[in-house]
Amino acid sequence: GQNIDQPTEMTATEGAIVQINCTYQTSGFNGLFWYQQHAGEAPTFLSYNVLDGLEEKGRFSSFLSRSKGYSYLLLKELQMKDSASYLCAVRASFQGGKLIFGQGTELSVKP
Amino acid sequence: EPEVTQTPSHQVTQMGQEVILRCVPISNHLYFYWYRQILGQKVEFLVSFYNNEISEKSEIFDDQFSVERPDGSNFTLKIRSTKLEDSAMYFCASIPAGPNTEAFFGQGTRLTVV
Repeated sequence: GQNIDQPTEMTATEGAIVQINCTYQTSGFNGLFWYQQHAGEAPTFLSYNVLDGLEEKGRFSSFLSRSKGYSYLLLKELQMKDSASYLCAVRASFQGGKLIFGQGTELSVKP
Repeated sequence: EPEVTQTPSHQVTQMGQEVILRCVPISNHLYFYWYRQILGQKVEFLVSFYNNEISEKSEIFDDQFSVERPDGSNFTLKIRSTKLEDSAMYFCASIPAGPNTEAFFGQGTRLTVV
């Protein structure tokens, strides 16, 4: 089966750092994606990992360990506008294959 | 910046009616998808389309669903006889050629079946 787990909710303070974890069990692996989704809107791409290690992109970083089936998204210098749902998604098969999404982590940033 | 566009943004329909959701993917993209998201739930894959045919479909994508790319630009999802449980946000997405590229999502169509 295909399973992607992430915490349902997290709360953090403006200016702080937060780490959102994702674990996955899929029949194949061809990349892990993080998307941000504000309520009622489309998912927007944040980051992508296909090899082990850390990818940094401004205030956002994402880490992958394929052997552990584990990824995290790190958000630094949190801003109120970062309040959103963060979706972990795995592409389990070939180029152009579907994305399998986790439930999403609803992040609330408090002043 | 190029974007995936979807119409309509909202659609209310009566149970049993047919609906067509429309998408214009980014012009040089090769892979096209429909996903849906029931309120409060995760984004679920429905179908993928490549080279003018369905490349993969989920268990959700049963005989009441169909997709078409009638004119090389539009990509449509038809639901033949809508049910209450079809109420959801439907997202179209597309991917360009090249390895391991991200999916670009449209803004979605909110379908409400009454």
